[in-house]
Amino acid sequence: AQKVTQAQTEISVVEKEDVTLDCVYETRDTTYYLFWYKQPPSGELVFLIRRNSFDEQNEISGRYSWNFQKSTSSFNFTITASQVVDSAVYFCALSERETSGSRLTFGEGTQLTVNP
Amino acid sequence: DGGITQSPKYLFRKEGQNVTLSCEQNLNHDAMYWYRQDPGQGLRLIYYSQIVNDFQKGDIAEGYSVSREKKESFPLTVTSAQKNPTAFYLCASSLAGGPNEQFFGPGTRLTVL
Repeated sequence: AQKVTQAQTEISVVEKEDVTLDCVYETRDTTYYLFWYKQPPSGELVFLIRRNSFDEQNEISGRYSWNFQKSTSSFNFTITASQVVDSAVYFCALSERETSGSRLTFGEGTQLTVNP
Repeated sequence: DGGITQSPKYLFRKEGQNVTLSCEQNLNHDAMYWYRQDPGQGLRLIYYSQIVNDFQKGDIAEGYSVSREKKESFPLTVTSAQKNPTAFYLCASSLAGGPNEQFFGPGTRLTVL
């Protein structure tokens, strides 16, 4: 069965610090997809990134970067020079290719608080 | 503007009553999903539908029911059989096939008194 673990329940940083959110996953499938979503206080989840299991290239988007390592089954998310607006709950999610379509398994989330 | 609407944002019901949560999308997506979120926890899948007139149980379907009569709509009924219905409910949609990015609505916070 697939599983996503986000061991960091809460993280608190001061503005401009870099912060890394950890995500470890378990799957038996050789083809799978990993996602990160952001949930601001308003409650609506916002899509950040999707990665497939064949693409281990790291990705950077502005202040956001993602490190995908199949050897350790991890898909970590780093925010550089954090800002107060980054405060939110961040979810990592996994989808297996087979018959599940876009069905996602979510981790429990990491509450990030960026203090001014 | 394309998107997903959920109504109402806050809902209060007495124990033992059935209640239906609305979810509408105008993104022309074939697939729709219902998730439940409890405080400090991740999202858990209740039901999903990949096409009109068809839906599948997710991980926590007991005590819930859905229908998918129209592409745009995927209402969720929380029945009296659901033991602990107080939670935040999120609806999402995506393109068919996949796995594709899911777009989420603003959620409905249900409180059963």
